[in-house]
Order: sequence, then structure tokens, then C-alpha cells
Amino acid sequence: AQKVTQAQTEISVVEKEDVTLDCVYETRDTTYYLFWYKQPPSGELVFLIRRNSFDEQNEISGRYSWNFQKSTSSFNFTITASQVVDSAVYFCALSRHGNKLVFGAGTILRVKS
Amino acid sequence: DAGITQSPRHKVTETGTPVTLRCHQTENHRYMYWYRQDPGHGLRLIHYSYGVKDTDKGEVSDGYSVSRSKTEDFLLTLESATSSQTSVYFCAIREGPGGKDFNYGYTFGSGTRLTVV
Repeated sequence: AQKVTQAQTEISVVEKEDVTLDCVYETRDTTYYLFWYKQPPSGELVFLIRRNSFDEQNEISGRYSWNFQKSTSSFNFTITASQVVDSAVYFCALSRHGNKLVFGAGTILRVKS
Repeated sequence: DAGITQSPRHKVTETGTPVTLRCHQTENHRYMYWYRQDPGHGLRLIHYSYGVKDTDKGEVSDGYSVSRSKTEDFLLTLESATSSQTSVYFCAIREGPGGKDFNYGYTFGSGTRLTVV
């Protein structure tokens, strides 16, 4: 069975603070894919990143960075110098062999000015 | 742009009535999915389809049925709506060439907010 755990239900930070959203996953597969999605207050799901299990390189995209560690089954997401526009619900998700996505419960991020 | 649309965007219905939600895609993707989103649960898979007339159950399929008679349309039906089915429903498609590169991605529709009173 596959499972994704986002232990942080809600995080509040002040603008310009760095924040890390945790994601821990469980799977017995050797080939799998990890995703992060953002859901702003408008409600749509916005794709942020996909990482496959063969690629443990960390990734940076502007203020966003992702740390993938197979040894701890974690795929954490860091926002540097947070902004009010980063306020959203963030979902981590797992897929095996490109099949259906299994989502974590989500983390609500509130960035205050 | 994946060209995925959901209809209706909002619906209020009474307990016991049938309801059908529609997901339409314009790019001939084989895999389509229906999820529901509830606070504290993230998104949970209801049903999915891997081709015309090929569907399978997801994690929370009780009380729901689906049909896919054409590649572009994936319908979700609540045969007799209950208050526990009040939720936001998302349709998704799987994109990507697949193969050994496993270069899959998932794109979601804008969601349907369903309220059962």
C-alpha cells in the first residue's frame, strides 16, 4: 500500500521567513514518482514539481527548493523568503509507475505581512 | 494547456436525487481520474479510467459510479446523493509519453463544488 503523510496541518509564518513543508511517503515499489501541488484560495490545483525515484538530486526553482531523501522516505519542500502570495494549501503526492496519485492530507500555509 | 473542463462548477442538490458530474478533455489522454477533496483528507480517488469503457474503483468508490463511452468524457454519477457526498470534486488526466522515461504528469480540472442538502 502507498501512503503519504504531511504531519504539519497548518503553518503560519511572517513574510520573508523561510518555511519547510514536510512530506513522508511509504511504498514498496522501487519505481515511483513524487509530486507537489499548490492550491491557492481560488481552489485550482497547480503543479509544482515531479521527481522520480531514480533521481535524488535536489531541485531549486527560484524561491522554491525540494529535498528528496530515499533513505528517510522524505520529499520536503522549502520556500525561501516567503511572500503573502505563497499562502495556500500544499499537497504532496505519490504515484507508482505513473498510475493513480495518492495524496497527503495537505499543509495550510499562512504567510502574514 | 491540457484542455480539461468540469461541469457544472457548482451544484446544490437534495438528498436522494441522482447527480452527474462531467469531465471533458480535448487531447485524447487515455487515463482519467475522479477525486474528492475534504478537509483533513486531501484528495482521495473515487474512480479512474484507463480507456473507453475501462474503469476501476478507487479508495472511496461506494455510492459512486462512472462511465466513459468516449475518450474525451468521463462522467461521475451519484445514484442517490447523501450529505456525506458534499465535497469538492476534481477530475484529472494523466499526461506524458510514458515509456521508460516515465515522464508522467497529472493535470486537474477546476473542480465542482457539490452541496447535498
